[in-house]
Amino acid sequence: DTEVTQTPKHLVMGMTNKKSLKCEQHMGHRAMYWYKQKAKKPPELMFVYSYEKLSINESVPSRFSPECPNSSLLNLHLHALQPEDSALYLCASSQASQGNPTGELFFGEGSRLTVL
Amino acid sequence: AQSVAQPEDQVNVAEGNPLTVKCTYSVSGNPYLFWYVQYPNRGLQFLLKYITGDNLVKGSYGFEAEFNKSQTSFHLKKPSALVSDSALYFCAVRDYGQNFVFGPGTRLSVLP
Repeated sequence: DTEVTQTPKHLVMGMTNKKSLKCEQHMGHRAMYWYKQKAKKPPELMFVYSYEKLSINESVPSRFSPECPNSSLLNLHLHALQPEDSALYLCASSQASQGNPTGELFFGEGSRLTVL
Repeated sequence: AQSVAQPEDQVNVAEGNPLTVKCTYSVSGNPYLFWYVQYPNRGLQFLLKYITGDNLVKGSYGFEAEFNKSQTSFHLKKPSALVSDSALYFCAVRDYGQNFVFGPGTRLSVLP
């Protein structure tokens, strides 16, 4: 069982909709991640929050907007998406590195997004 | 820049036989290496990691991996494959910050 919880598991939205993906962890991890994964491909990093501050943004289009309200929660706000944004969106967490990057990533089960 | 290669898209093995899924890496500095497994429509599950110490690392579900610094490899192994091991396997390397770089993945099929 994963200790990273993602909701919703499935989401279908039109290109004009606004929706949000949510992620929660209670392992005390201070680094949280959003990944996008297409079928049979590796996860692609989108954003990383470290100590609730955005530390990595992999040139993601502005129609994806991350938010980290506190150390346990991570949101991904979606607006005006395109059909090619349809994918599995994975949240993950890890111990923050602080110069000692030995912790592994813990993944949620993902949110399957379909954009019509 | 860190990179990871998995030279085989697909590995087929008969149930009960040993399996190997290959991974090679390129890093500057010490490598922090990980293996993950993904079942259909699921998230990635952590199997094992190499940080330092013994070159043979043991992990979940009977998997192990051998770190070889001279060959820059970190191959995943299991002495006796199960049909339930059939899945997508990813090798990954972590840099000194928060970034994990994943290999392209290898699909393992264990045939009954």
